[in-house]
Amino acid sequence: SQTIHQWPATLVQPVGSPLSLECTVEGTSNPNLYWYRQAAGRGLQLLFYSVGIGQISSEVPQNLSASRPQDRQFILSSKKLLLSDSGFYLCAWSLGLAPYNEQFFGPGTRLTVL
Amino acid sequence: SQQGEEDPQALSIQEGENATMNCSYKTSINNLQWYRQNSGRGLVHLILIRSNEREKHSGRLRVTLDTSKKSSSLLITASRAADTASYFCATPQGGSEKLVFGKGTKLTVNP
Repeated sequence: SQTIHQWPATLVQPVGSPLSLECTVEGTSNPNLYWYRQAAGRGLQLLFYSVGIGQISSEVPQNLSASRPQDRQFILSSKKLLLSDSGFYLCAWSLGLAPYNEQFFGPGTRLTVL
Repeated sequence: SQQGEEDPQALSIQEGENATMNCSYKTSINNLQWYRQNSGRGLVHLILIRSNEREKHSGRLRVTLDTSKKSSSLLITASRAADTASYFCATPQGGSEKLVFGKGTKLTVNP
């Protein structure tokens, strides 16, 4: 069966510090991978998605970046965090493209930037 | 711009009652998805309904789709306290590989 992992579960970081969130998927190959951010009481905002190794599409201009160094690994990074980067970050995967297939979400990372 | 919008924003009912949530969208779609999110957790896929389907069932869930009105509804019958969660509809953004989520309906089922 497929599983998706995210870590860390919670993170408190000072403004200006770097960020690295990791997501890995097990039990499937060639998944499409997604990073979403959810602000308190809000819907999900798609940040990045990837259809293959090294292929990243950015949806929202920001100080975040994403990388996919391996087929089932997706990393969200920042060189300098802003207060506005606080939120709940969710990684997801799907076998086909998201608009036509269900997505499977990880447990999320709660990021607080102080 | 927001594609899907859920209504109501919040809903509080007693255990055993039915809960109905609605989703309206703006552009033509080929399918619509519903997800559930328990507090502080990831989302769980509930149902995908295609544009050529009018109704779909899964256990106590019933989803309808009216493409002429650009709306969908999610009905949870005989609700349980464990159904307490936020429910989101998600629709494809036309011409892209992007799935757009609404802001959700927060359902509280009181025991």
